[in-house]
Amino acid sequence: AQSVTQLDSHVSVSEGTPVLLRCNYSSSYSPSLFWYVQHPNKGLQLLLKYTSAATLVKGINGFEAEFKKSETSFHLTKPSAHMSDAAEYFCVVSRWNTGNQFYFGTGTSLTVIP
Amino acid sequence: EPEVTQTPSHQVTQMGQEVILRCVPISNHLYFYWYRQILGQKVEFLVSFYNNEISEKSEIFDDQFSVERPDGSNFTLKIRSTKLEDSAMYFCASMGSGDQPQHFGDGTRLSIL
Repeated sequence: AQSVTQLDSHVSVSEGTPVLLRCNYSSSYSPSLFWYVQHPNKGLQLLLKYTSAATLVKGINGFEAEFKKSETSFHLTKPSAHMSDAAEYFCVVSRWNTGNQFYFGTGTSLTVIP
Repeated sequence: EPEVTQTPSHQVTQMGQEVILRCVPISNHLYFYWYRQILGQKVEFLVSFYNNEISEKSEIFDDQFSVERPDGSNFTLKIRSTKLEDSAMYFCASMGSGDQPQHFGDGTRLSIL
């Protein structure tokens, strides 16, 4: 079975400071992991993906995530927050043999304080 | 960049009525999905569709729901005899191949009165 746990429902940072959004996963097999962002009244936009290649994955808008198998974690980071980063962030796990069904975390709402 | 498009953006329907939510996946994609997000809750998988048939469905996807790919471009979700608890945002997604991410539409907000 697959699942993800997003450890923080809300994160608040000041503009220009680092962002850390935490995600732990559970998977019986080698997982594919993704981070998606959802701005208000918009769909889900892919930030980055991990599919068993490099463990440090770089995505759009300066975000990156590191796959740590020993910790079953896939935390999302950004060195310097921008006002436009304020949104809901979802960690997602999937496995191809399950039809690539996506299992979503409960989401982390990021607030950026000017 | 190609996009998944969903129509309508907002659908208001009386309880007990049937609704059809429409999606146009990215043109060369082969795998199609529906998800829903009840207000304040996580995004939940409903169904996946490949090669003109359902490949997987969740417990939520009961006999009230059906999907169809009536032509080469549209992918629809039909909800029969809607209930108040069907009110949610419904997302369509498509994927090109097995190791690729899914691309999501902007969603249809379904409100059941």
